Amino acid sequence: NAGVTQTPKFQVLKTGQSMTLQCAQDMNHNSMYWYRQDPGMGLRLIYYSASEGTTDKGEVPNGYNVSRLNKREFSLRLESAAPSQTSVYFCASRGGGDTQYFGPGTRLTVL
Amino acid sequence: KQEVTQIPAALSVPEGENLVLNCSFTDSAIYNLQWFRQDPGKGLTSLLLIQSSQREQTSGRLNASLDKSSGRSTLYIAASQPGDSATYLCAVPYNQGGKLIFGQGTELSVKP
Repeated sequence: NAGVTQTPKFQVLKTGQSMTLQCAQDMNHNSMYWYRQDPGMGLRLIYYSASEGTTDKGEVPNGYNVSRLNKREFSLRLESAAPSQTSVYFCASRGGGDTQYFGPGTRLTVL
Repeated sequence: KQEVTQIPAALSVPEGENLVLNCSFTDSAIYNLQWFRQDPGKGLTSLLLIQSSQREQTSGRLNASLDKSSGRSTLYIAASQPGDSATYLCAVPYNQGGKLIFGQGTELSVKP
């Protein structure tokens, strides 16, 4: 049972480049989330998806887009990366008991 | 707006000591409160979740309590071990949708 998986683990981009962070869960959870973690700012919600086919903005959505491809997969896209998007990105899913399960993270550096 | 605070930001204790980590929140209308552990360079691992109707939850050497009226939760770790060294975060949901608001975390170091 893999839980929540994220790819890639590390990525370096130049300003203006685009990329997609992938997330998948095998726990049959309806809700999925994208957070970013920054020193001094803690973890903040970027986007979430309550169920397949629905997405909504979190606290810091600017500069990002998401796609809930199916029940398992929830991707986060940076269309034109900026240095302010240098961060560690975590995907999470939530089951019926409200517990959230986190992936291992993607460490992104934008130069 | 809900705010979650964890004090202290860092804590160092000798092995074997019992310790308490604190979490406070400004809006007492919460659905639940969750405690996580994060090892350096890793993701978050859920330790305990307390529903709003509960006063405490226990898992092994960990005990989490919740006092909604005072806006506080504590995580008690008994007989601490070097392997307990990590950052501990508490979080409460915005609403029933599960969007979490996190505290800044307490970095715990247990010295052998």
